[in-house]
Amino acid sequence: SAVISQKPSRDICQRGTSLTIQCQVDSQVTMMFWYRQQPGQSLTLIATANQGSEATYESGFVIDKFPISRPNLTFSTLTVSNMSPEDSSIYLCSAEVRGTEAFFGQGTRLTVV
Amino acid sequence: DAKTTQPPSMDCAEGRAANLPCNHSTISGNEYVYWYRQIHSQGPQYIIHGLKNNETNEMASLIITEDRKSSTLILPHATLRDTAVYYCIVSLSGGGADGLTFGKGTHLIIQP
Repeated sequence: SAVISQKPSRDICQRGTSLTIQCQVDSQVTMMFWYRQQPGQSLTLIATANQGSEATYESGFVIDKFPISRPNLTFSTLTVSNMSPEDSSIYLCSAEVRGTEAFFGQGTRLTVV
Repeated sequence: DAKTTQPPSMDCAEGRAANLPCNHSTISGNEYVYWYRQIHSQGPQYIIHGLKNNETNEMASLIITEDRKSSTLILPHATLRDTAVYYCIVSLSGGGADGLTFGKGTHLIIQP
């Protein structure tokens, strides 16, 4: 199994500012992902965080808005840039372990005011 | 878009078996059926997965039809802590090497 820790767990931010969310896995993993869960909705994949290279973004998500770093096999960050109230969501980090299941962090609940 | 269809909500009495259906009529031969659940204010949790055969673990059983176009997740003795949104996902790779595509899921409510 894997334990995934996200920081912060929640934040309230002013529009126009940026927030960086950290994700730490307690073991080395190959694949890490970032998801967004808008209020009352299901999870949507934002991007795959690639170790040592640029993240792979899903349709509708761009690097300028959601820059992602992954400096090693246990850590990744997601930045939500130039925030607006529409960015208010839960952001979740995930890691695939052993090729059989995905583990998720508890999420970061972001409110933009 | 999600390749699965699930009822939006279901109720089940505590102590009874909860049977959650999922349709995946366009599943390809090498895609797995995965089930995850999301308890309120938590990240999703893996439950079980299967390819063709029925599977059982400490949490649940997964019954896949012979044509693989549908499946049923069974929680044998539901408790109040099983109240959650349950997601049925089809995926080529174990755990989602390309990420997971979540549908709307089934909100299962366990009644005391």
